[in-house]
Amino acid sequence: QKEVEQDPGPLSVPEGAIVSLNCTYSNSAFQYFMWYRQYSRKGPELLMYTYSSGNKEDGRFTAQVDKSSKYISLFIRDSQPSDSATYLCAMSAANAGNMLTFGGGTRLMVKP
Amino acid sequence: EAGVVQSPRYKIIEKKQPVAFWCNPISGHNTLYWYRQNLGQGPELLIRYENEEAVDDSQLPKDRFSAERLKGVDSTLKIQPAELGDSAVYLCASSQGGGNQPQHFGDGTRLSIL
Repeated sequence: QKEVEQDPGPLSVPEGAIVSLNCTYSNSAFQYFMWYRQYSRKGPELLMYTYSSGNKEDGRFTAQVDKSSKYISLFIRDSQPSDSATYLCAMSAANAGNMLTFGGGTRLMVKP
Repeated sequence: EAGVVQSPRYKIIEKKQPVAFWCNPISGHNTLYWYRQNLGQGPELLIRYENEEAVDDSQLPKDRFSAERLKGVDSTLKIQPAELGDSAVYLCASSQGGGNQPQHFGDGTRLSIL
């Protein structure tokens, strides 16, 4: 079993929909949680960076962390065709040399 | 602010040939990472540098892979000889300082082995 699990999709939604992307993890030492967006043939782009549990909002994006359930989510409001990409969750433990453990990514398609 | 720059973007070689990838991190970022990303998977760390020092190379296949970061800025990752299973995207990332600072990625080098 992988340390970080992520549904590969693809997830197809109509433009304007609210998108929910999720990851589960098994390592209780993870304290830093990130979401990256990766367009085809491009590198991962950092979207959200959170520490410990709670919510963080940035524009149309909201990241949620529930450490008790070992579950993190990324919500995208008013989704746009330009949001079509693969979304990778990543996490790291404190004092672990900033070593990131990634999920396999969820491919999102937003249809006009 | 310029991002992480990698070259070449694409490389096609025959198996058993050598290949090298180059990375220029974001200015002021003293921590540099090399990752490998296989198709449909997330990136996996190969090696991490703090300035010139390789502080975590436990995932680097040392029989054929080598890396260097001279003067603590640019870095080169080399494979010699390449095997069919090395086909992947090789990503470079950098972060400012140690600890759990956000990592910023380049666009990678897509390597195909024939």
